Amino acid sequence: EVYLVESGGGLVKPGGSLRLACSASGFTFSTYGMNWVRQAPGKGLEWVSSVSGNSHHIQYADSVRGRFTISRDNAQNSLFLQMDSLRAEDTAIYYCVRDLHDDWFDSWGQGTLVTVSS
Amino acid sequence: IVMTQSPVTLSVSPGESATLSCRASQSVNSNLAWYQQKPGQAPRLLMYGASIRATGIAARFSGSGSGTEFTLTISSLQSEDFAVFFCQQYDAWPRTFGQGTKVEIK
Repeated sequence: EVYLVESGGGLVKPGGSLRLACSASGFTFSTYGMNWVRQAPGKGLEWVSSVSGNSHHIQYADSVRGRFTISRDNAQNSLFLQMDSLRAEDTAIYYCVRDLHDDWFDSWGQGTLVTVSS
Repeated sequence: IVMTQSPVTLSVSPGESATLSCRASQSVNSNLAWYQQKPGQAPRLLMYGASIRATGIAARFSGSGSGTEFTLTISSLQSEDFAVFFCQQYDAWPRTFGQGTKVEIK
């Protein structure tokens, strides 16, 4: 069974930084693309960033480009999201999500809450 | 690509069917997925390729459409089906979601 477990969320002040991590198990991690998708409280879903299995292809939403950095460690079956220059509008649950090859999101973690507030 | 779902809320009695719509601002071919999200839970993949049920999804869920117009139909709604449903295109970057349709008990 596929397991995706996020960690690293918490309360941070505007302008601060946070690093999210996602630990994956139950599948061959290096053969799947991985993504971060977020959901502000009571709102819809927003795709944030994607990284291909070999890290050669990376995409960002305009809202986070230049502030967030996605990365992965296939040896450790882990996905990361480095979030800098955080803003109040970045407050959301951040989900770690799997895709096979730039397609649909077939497995989701339970999410980690990031709150940006002074 | 802007994804627009309608209606925002759908009130349905158990046992009845529900039809949810999703429209793309430009063609996404058949690169359209549907997700179900229950309160306090992560979204779950229902459909991909516009009409292919994901593993373990009940046959009462069906999807149709291509290009810019898509439909998710839930026949004979069960109590566990009441939730929020999102469509999402994966034809182009950035990946975009509809705003969601809440299916509630009438």
